[in-house]
Amino acid sequence: AQRVTQPEKLLSVFKGAPVELKCNYSYSGSPELFWYVQYSRQRLQLLLRHISRESIKGFTADLNKGETSFHLKKPFAQEEDSAMYYCALTSGGYQKVTFGTGTKLQVIP
Amino acid sequence: SAVISQKPSRDICQRGTSLTIQCQVDSQVTMMFWYRQQPGQSLTLIATANQGSEATYESGFVIDKFPISRPNLTFSTLTVSNMSPEDSSIYLCSVEEAGGVPEAFFGQGTRLTVV
Repeated sequence: AQRVTQPEKLLSVFKGAPVELKCNYSYSGSPELFWYVQYSRQRLQLLLRHISRESIKGFTADLNKGETSFHLKKPFAQEEDSAMYYCALTSGGYQKVTFGTGTKLQVIP
Repeated sequence: SAVISQKPSRDICQRGTSLTIQCQVDSQVTMMFWYRQQPGQSLTLIATANQGSEATYESGFVIDKFPISRPNLTFSTLTVSNMSPEDSSIYLCSVEEAGGVPEAFFGQGTRLTVV
């Protein structure tokens, strides 16, 4: 069974401080990992995916297969980063997405 | 990217009644998914709806409680039947688009409150 764990329900950081949202997963095969974000009063949307190795809005995430982690990082938090962040996993292709429980990021001005 | 319209956006319903949620996509998609997000919890997949076949339900969800229709490649409905307060949740429609790497798109959700 595939599982995604986000240990922090709430993460508060000051503006300009580094951010790391933790995500660990369990899956026996080769998963595809994603980060989704939901800003206040907006729909859930894709932030980034590991396969693209991209940086979106200053966020990056590296898949560490040894530690089965996919932590989301940003060197300098901005107020507009405040949102709910969900780590997600799929087994590839058109398969269901398994979500973590989400972490609320609160950036303090 | 797929644009998904979901309605109603919210509703307050009496227990014992049923509510049908509609999901309209602006492009043809093979697979549509219905999720539930209970208060303070993550998204849980209810079922996968493919056009031309019966929906596939996840463990803990049954067709009698959550009947789904998928009449064509751009539309689906989810009905929450015989509602109880425990059904109070946000229900989300999602689709995956073809491409190099499938990406999931979500509707804005339906916030259901059962009283």
